[in-house]
Amino acid sequence: EPEVTQTPSHQVTQMGQEVILRCVPISNHLYFYWYRQILGQKVEFLVSFYNNEISEKSEIFDDQFSVERPDGSNFTLKIRSTKLEDSAMYFCASSSLEGNQPQHFGDGTRLSIL
Amino acid sequence: GQQVMQIPQYQHVQEGEDFTTYCNSSTTLSNIQWYKQRPGGHPVFLIQLVKSGEVKKQKRLTFQFGEAKKNSSLHITATQTTDVGTYFCGGNTGNQFYFGTGTSLTVIP
Repeated sequence: EPEVTQTPSHQVTQMGQEVILRCVPISNHLYFYWYRQILGQKVEFLVSFYNNEISEKSEIFDDQFSVERPDGSNFTLKIRSTKLEDSAMYFCASSSLEGNQPQHFGDGTRLSIL
Repeated sequence: GQQVMQIPQYQHVQEGEDFTTYCNSSTTLSNIQWYKQRPGGHPVFLIQLVKSGEVKKQKRLTFQFGEAKKNSSLHITATQTTDVGTYFCGGNTGNQFYFGTGTSLTVIP
Protein backbone atom coordinates (compact mmCIF):
# COMPACT_ATOMS: atom_id res chain seq x y z
CA GLU A 1 0.00 0.00 0.00
CA PRO A 2 1.36 3.47 -0.88
CA GLU A 3 2.70 5.44 2.06
CA VAL A 4 3.51 9.01 2.97
CA THR A 5 7.18 9.22 3.87
CA GLN A 6 8.81 11.86 6.02
CA THR A 7 12.44 12.73 6.61
CA PRO A 8 14.23 13.04 8.89
CA SER A 9 12.59 10.97 11.61
CA HIS A 10 14.24 13.13 14.25
CA GLN A 11 15.69 16.63 13.91
CA VAL A 12 17.61 18.40 16.66
CA THR A 13 18.16 22.11 16.06
CA GLN A 14 19.46 25.08 18.01
CA MET A 15 16.90 27.76 18.82
CA GLY A 16 16.88 30.46 16.17
CA GLN A 17 18.04 28.16 13.39
CA GLU A 18 16.02 27.37 10.30
CA VAL A 19 14.71 23.87 9.81
CA ILE A 20 13.16 22.14 6.80
CA LEU A 21 11.00 19.09 7.23
CA ARG A 22 10.45 16.95 4.17
CA CYS A 23 7.54 14.83 3.04
CA VAL A 24 6.80 12.71 0.02
CA PRO A 25 3.02 12.39 -0.27
CA ILE A 26 1.28 9.49 -1.97
CA SER A 27 1.90 9.95 -5.68
CA ASN A 28 -1.66 10.38 -7.00
CA HIS A 29 -2.84 12.54 -4.10
CA LEU A 30 -3.64 16.18 -4.70
CA TYR A 31 -4.07 17.63 -1.21
CA PHE A 32 -1.26 17.92 1.29
CA TYR A 33 -1.29 18.83 4.95
CA TRP A 34 1.03 19.55 7.83
CA TYR A 35 0.02 18.90 11.43
CA ARG A 36 1.79 19.39 14.73
CA GLN A 37 1.48 17.30 17.86
CA ILE A 38 3.11 18.49 21.04
CA LEU A 39 3.97 15.55 23.28
CA GLY A 40 0.87 14.14 24.92
CA GLN A 41 -1.48 16.59 23.25
CA LYS A 42 -3.87 16.53 20.33
CA VAL A 43 -2.98 16.75 16.68
CA GLU A 44 -3.17 20.39 15.52
CA PHE A 45 -3.79 21.49 11.95
CA LEU A 46 -1.15 23.79 10.50
CA VAL A 47 -1.79 24.13 6.80
CA SER A 48 -3.35 22.55 3.74
CA PHE A 49 -1.95 22.86 0.23
CA TYR A 50 -3.51 22.29 -3.16
CA ASN A 51 -2.60 23.21 -6.71
CA ASN A 52 0.68 24.75 -5.60
CA GLU A 53 -0.80 27.11 -3.10
CA ILE A 54 -1.99 27.22 0.47
CA SER A 55 -5.73 26.56 0.68
CA GLU A 56 -6.11 26.94 4.43
CA LYS A 57 -3.88 27.71 7.40
CA SER A 58 -4.38 27.88 11.14
CA GLU A 59 -3.40 30.54 13.65
CA ILE A 60 -0.32 28.50 14.49
CA PHE A 61 0.98 28.87 10.94
CA ASP A 62 2.46 32.35 11.30
CA ASP A 63 5.13 34.15 9.28
CA GLN A 64 7.81 31.84 10.65
CA PHE A 65 6.30 28.94 8.72
CA SER A 66 6.23 28.31 5.00
CA VAL A 67 5.45 25.37 2.76
CA GLU A 68 6.67 24.50 -0.66
CA ARG A 69 6.31 21.83 -3.29
CA PRO A 70 9.68 22.27 -4.99
CA ASP A 71 9.19 19.42 -7.45
CA GLY A 72 6.57 16.85 -8.38
CA SER A 73 7.10 14.67 -5.35
CA ASN A 74 8.33 16.59 -2.30
CA PHE A 75 6.33 18.77 0.07
CA THR A 76 8.32 20.72 2.63
CA LEU A 77 7.64 22.67 5.80
CA LYS A 78 10.15 25.35 6.71
CA ILE A 79 10.41 27.04 10.09
CA ARG A 80 12.54 30.13 9.67
CA SER A 81 13.72 30.91 13.17
CA THR A 82 12.85 28.10 15.53
CA LYS A 83 11.65 28.64 19.07
CA LEU A 84 11.66 26.25 22.01
CA GLU A 85 7.89 25.88 21.73
CA ASP A 86 8.25 24.55 18.18
CA SER A 87 9.45 21.28 19.67
CA ALA A 88 6.84 18.73 18.62
CA MET A 89 6.09 15.88 16.29
CA TYR A 90 5.25 17.16 12.83
CA PHE A 91 3.04 14.99 10.65
CA CYS A 92 2.57 15.30 6.94
CA ALA A 93 -0.60 13.91 5.40
CA SER A 94 -2.11 13.65 1.96
CA SER A 95 -5.48 12.86 0.49
CA SER A 96 -6.86 12.35 -2.98
CA LEU A 97 -9.56 14.91 -2.43
CA GLU A 98 -10.12 17.51 0.22
CA GLY A 99 -12.69 17.21 2.95
CA ASN A 100 -14.57 13.99 2.54
CA GLN A 101 -11.59 11.75 1.97
CA PRO A 102 -9.35 10.01 4.49
CA GLN A 103 -5.98 11.52 5.12
CA HIS A 104 -2.94 9.29 5.04
CA PHE A 105 -0.30 10.26 7.55
CA GLY A 106 3.44 9.84 7.49
CA ASP A 107 5.35 8.55 10.50
CA GLY A 108 6.23 12.08 11.51
CA THR A 109 9.38 14.06 12.24
CA ARG A 110 10.21 14.65 15.86
CA LEU A 111 11.62 18.18 16.09
CA SER A 112 13.63 19.03 19.19
CA ILE A 113 14.69 22.63 19.70
CA LEU A 114 17.56 23.21 22.12
CA GLY B 1 -12.96 29.54 17.53
CA GLN B 2 -13.81 26.06 16.39
CA GLN B 3 -13.32 23.40 19.06
CA VAL B 4 -13.72 19.66 18.99
CA MET B 5 -13.72 18.14 22.45
CA GLN B 6 -13.61 14.50 23.39
CA ILE B 7 -14.47 12.81 26.65
CA PRO B 8 -13.11 11.11 28.52
CA GLN B 9 -9.50 12.20 28.10
CA TYR B 10 -8.26 8.89 29.51
CA GLN B 11 -9.97 5.54 29.98
CA HIS B 12 -8.64 2.39 31.60
CA VAL B 13 -10.67 -0.78 31.07
CA GLN B 14 -10.24 -4.43 31.83
CA GLU B 15 -9.85 -6.56 28.75
CA GLY B 16 -13.30 -7.66 27.66
CA GLU B 17 -15.07 -4.55 28.91
CA ASP B 18 -16.72 -2.09 26.57
CA PHE B 19 -15.39 1.39 25.83
CA THR B 20 -17.00 4.56 24.48
CA THR B 21 -15.52 7.91 23.55
CA TYR B 22 -17.66 10.95 22.78
CA CYS B 23 -16.81 13.74 20.39
CA ASN B 24 -18.46 17.17 20.48
CA SER B 25 -17.91 20.02 18.08
CA SER B 26 -18.73 23.66 18.75
CA THR B 27 -19.99 24.00 15.18
CA THR B 28 -21.65 21.80 12.59
CA LEU B 29 -19.27 19.52 10.73
CA SER B 30 -19.60 18.44 7.11
CA ASN B 31 -18.20 15.05 8.02
CA ILE B 32 -16.67 13.19 10.94
CA GLN B 33 -13.61 11.02 10.68
CA TRP B 34 -12.10 8.77 13.32
CA TYR B 35 -8.42 8.01 13.64
CA LYS B 36 -6.44 5.74 15.93
CA GLN B 37 -2.93 6.60 17.06
CA ARG B 38 -0.89 3.90 18.71
CA PRO B 39 1.75 5.04 21.24
CA GLY B 40 4.67 6.44 19.27
CA GLY B 41 2.78 6.11 15.99
CA HIS B 42 0.91 8.30 13.58
CA PRO B 43 -2.85 8.72 13.20
CA VAL B 44 -4.42 5.99 11.11
CA PHE B 45 -7.77 6.53 9.46
CA LEU B 46 -10.55 4.28 10.73
CA ILE B 47 -13.79 5.51 9.21
CA GLN B 48 -15.75 8.48 7.91
CA LEU B 49 -19.37 9.40 8.52
CA VAL B 50 -21.13 11.98 6.40
CA LYS B 51 -24.87 11.73 6.91
CA SER B 52 -26.80 13.02 9.87
CA GLY B 53 -27.62 10.15 12.24
CA GLU B 54 -25.37 7.73 10.36
CA VAL B 55 -24.18 4.58 12.13
CA LYS B 56 -21.38 2.38 10.84
CA LYS B 57 -19.81 -0.77 12.23
CA GLN B 58 -16.38 -2.28 11.83
CA LYS B 59 -16.27 -5.61 13.64
CA ARG B 60 -16.30 -4.63 17.35
CA LEU B 61 -16.31 -0.88 16.64
CA THR B 62 -19.53 1.11 16.23
CA PHE B 63 -19.43 4.71 15.04
CA GLN B 64 -22.28 7.16 15.19
CA PHE B 65 -22.76 10.68 13.80
CA GLY B 66 -25.28 12.84 15.60
CA GLU B 67 -28.45 14.22 14.07
CA ALA B 68 -27.17 17.79 14.31
CA LYS B 69 -23.78 16.77 12.87
CA LYS B 70 -22.05 18.27 15.89
CA ASN B 71 -21.31 15.13 17.85
CA SER B 72 -20.17 11.60 17.34
CA SER B 73 -19.29 8.52 19.32
CA LEU B 74 -17.09 5.47 19.00
CA HIS B 75 -18.02 2.36 20.92
CA ILE B 76 -15.77 -0.69 21.22
CA THR B 77 -17.37 -3.92 22.37
CA ALA B 78 -15.28 -6.39 24.40
CA THR B 79 -11.98 -4.54 24.25
CA GLN B 80 -8.74 -6.34 23.45
CA THR B 81 -5.16 -5.34 24.24
CA THR B 82 -4.71 -4.49 20.57
CA ASP B 83 -7.26 -1.68 21.00
CA VAL B 84 -4.75 0.33 23.07
CA GLY B 85 -4.09 3.80 21.69
CA THR B 86 -5.53 7.27 21.39
CA TYR B 87 -8.72 7.70 19.41
CA PHE B 88 -9.23 11.02 17.70
CA CYS B 89 -12.32 12.28 16.01
CA GLY B 90 -12.03 15.06 13.47
CA GLY B 91 -14.05 16.87 10.90
CA ASN B 92 -14.21 19.64 8.38
CA THR B 93 -15.60 23.09 8.78
CA GLY B 94 -14.96 24.70 5.46
CA ASN B 95 -11.52 23.74 4.22
CA GLN B 96 -9.95 23.29 7.61
CA PHE B 97 -9.79 19.94 9.37
CA TYR B 98 -10.11 19.96 13.16
CA PHE B 99 -8.97 17.07 15.29
CA GLY B 100 -10.60 16.38 18.62
CA THR B 101 -8.67 16.36 21.86
CA GLY B 102 -8.45 12.56 21.82
CA THR B 103 -9.26 9.76 24.23
CA SER B 104 -6.38 7.59 25.38
CA LEU B 105 -7.46 3.99 25.94
CA THR B 106 -5.54 1.59 28.15
CA VAL B 107 -6.64 -2.04 28.21
CA ILE B 108 -5.58 -4.04 31.23
CA PRO B 109 -5.07 -7.74 30.44
